[in-house]
Amino acid sequence: QVQLQESGPRLVKPSGTLSLTCRVSGDSVSGSYWWIWVRQSPGKGLEWIGEIHHSGSTNYNPSLKSRVTISVDKAQNQFSLKVTSVTAADTAVYFCAREPTNDYGRTDSWGQGTLVTVSS
Amino acid sequence: EIVLTQSPGTLSLSPGDRATLSCRASQVVNSNYLTWYQQKPGQAPRLLIYGASRRATGIPDRFSGSGSATDFTLTISRLEPEDFAVYYCQQYGRLPRTFGQGTKVEIK
Repeated sequence: QVQLQESGPRLVKPSGTLSLTCRVSGDSVSGSYWWIWVRQSPGKGLEWIGEIHHSGSTNYNPSLKSRVTISVDKAQNQFSLKVTSVTAADTAVYFCAREPTNDYGRTDSWGQGTLVTVSS
Repeated sequence: EIVLTQSPGTLSLSPGDRATLSCRASQVVNSNYLTWYQQKPGQAPRLLIYGASRRATGIPDRFSGSGSATDFTLTISRLEPEDFAVYYCQQYGRLPRTFGQGTKVEIK
């Protein structure tokens, strides 16, 4: 049973960089999956941030594209999210998730989420 | 991008009732690539349905998805106490993947 766990600083200053890691246990990040980031602003709905394929191919939400980087660290069996030039609007719970490439849409494994607050 | 509009915003029902949730897309969703999630406070989304009508592993058969093109429906045949939550649809047929704004199913 795969488990995903987000980690990283919970407080980031405005104009700084938000960095989160999703540690994967019970499976390999080198497996045939899309590794996904989604966020949810307090009291609001869900927003897809982007994804990385096990081959290294990435897709990003155009609303964030110029500020977002998703990468995979095979040695540590984890994947990461970086968002630059953050503002209060980036305050949200950030979730990581996994989707098999051979069963498109079956995003059935999620981390518990971590709240990141942007504030001075 | 594809905008998903869910209705109603809130559904007030009693345990044992039938719930019908709607998700309408601003453009045709390619290959009916639409999912439904359930979310409870403080929890991650839980996948219920993908491919518009395929139940995810371990999801009770009282949950069913239907629809195609721009109109999709999630039906809960008989509400159990644990079903009161917020439900989101998401399309993954065209990037960026987009979510609806959610429907809250609350106890009447």
